Amino acid sequence: SQQGEEDPQALSIQEGENATMNCSYKTSINNLQWYRQNSGRGLVHLILIRSNEREKHSGRLRVTLDTSKKSSSLLITASRAADTASYFCATQLTGGGNKLTFGTGTQLKVEL
Amino acid sequence: DAEITQSPRHKITETGRQVTLACHQTWNHNNMFWYRQDLGHGLRLIHYSYGVQDTNKGEVSDGYSVSRSNTEDLPLTLESAASSQTSVYFCASSGSLNSPLHFGNGTRLTVT
Repeated sequence: SQQGEEDPQALSIQEGENATMNCSYKTSINNLQWYRQNSGRGLVHLILIRSNEREKHSGRLRVTLDTSKKSSSLLITASRAADTASYFCATQLTGGGNKLTFGTGTQLKVEL
Repeated sequence: DAEITQSPRHKITETGRQVTLACHQTWNHNNMFWYRQDLGHGLRLIHYSYGVQDTNKGEVSDGYSVSRSNTEDLPLTLESAASSQTSVYFCASSGSLNSPLHFGNGTRLTVT
């Protein structure tokens, strides 16, 4: 079964709007990471939040982590057409070494 | 600039043939990973290595093998290709714990 589950599976918004994606996981983690994947390309790291952190910002990205609920959210503010991509959360499990377990992803489409 | 490269980008092979996918990184990372990506499953871990001569099985390792003879390379071998192994394969590398993964651009493998 998947460690990470993203919600929604697909999201379509207008340029300038905010996009929020959620991720839930099942077991204790060292950190949670978000990645973006453009069509036909590899994944690109966006942001990493450690288990003892609650919120992190990077440019137009804001990530929150609630370890009591085993959930995280990624907010993209003032979205642009170039933000159209798939977004994945990934967890590094406590005691699991450096490997990551990925969710199934959210497909974001930003329309002009 | 450091990078991670995969070859070939596309491969078509027949059922039963042995296939090797190459992965080469110039980050000097100890940790390397192979994932496969299929619709509805996200990315699933096949094998991983934490250093030279170290290899470990991931979630979906049956029918695959890897070897790590140097820091830069982690080739993935399909011993006897099956149609169920038609997928997009991604190689990734990372440094220390709590560091992100750097991904290659993937190899699309079709087994006919």
